[in-house]
Amino acid sequence: SQQGEEDPQALSIQEGENATMNCSYKTSINNLQWYRQNSGRGLVHLILIRSNEREKHSGRLRVTLDTSKKSSSLLITASRAADTASYFCAVNSGAGSYQLTFGKGTKLSVIP
Amino acid sequence: EAQVTQNPRYLITVTGKKLTVTCSQNMNHEYMSWYRQDPGLGLRQIYYSMNVEVTDKGDVPEGYKVSRKEKRNFPLILESPSPNQTSLYFCASSFTVYNEQFFGPGTRLTVL
Repeated sequence: SQQGEEDPQALSIQEGENATMNCSYKTSINNLQWYRQNSGRGLVHLILIRSNEREKHSGRLRVTLDTSKKSSSLLITASRAADTASYFCAVNSGAGSYQLTFGKGTKLSVIP
Repeated sequence: EAQVTQNPRYLITVTGKKLTVTCSQNMNHEYMSWYRQDPGLGLRQIYYSMNVEVTDKGDVPEGYKVSRKEKRNFPLILESPSPNQTSLYFCASSFTVYNEQFFGPGTRLTVL
């Protein structure tokens, strides 16, 4: 069963603009993670946010989590062409679950 | 260097010919997992392992087998591959399911 669902499916912006991607999920979670994938390569972990956290930052990345709405957002500020990639959220529902469920991803294109 | 390795990276085979994709990690991680990635479907978990000799099915386990005899290795076995198993496969590992996952580079499998 697929929990994380990203929105939008695709996003195209100019270099220097901010990019926001959203992730919605269906059940309670232990944590939510964001990953980046460059064109068919392995995924790279960006940020992990736990269910009792509301916001986390890492460099130009900001992740928020709203457990009441069962949603998370990833903000990339001052985007660069090198940020062009697919971004995935993944959720672990906790409660004895050992699965990590990924969404279908948001494809971000940053135009120089 | 901390890493997850997969072999082979590319494989073209024929229906019914048994194959094994190897996965190895050097980070002493307990949790390992296999995913397949198909266009429009995102990543789907095939099998995961919480520790040596402990494995369980993910969302799409049909047609696959795994084993975890050693902590560092988690091979994926296709006993009788079929064309619908043509996909991009990723192995990943982490300390536990509650931690960030480290992904291998991927194995692109084509079953004719």
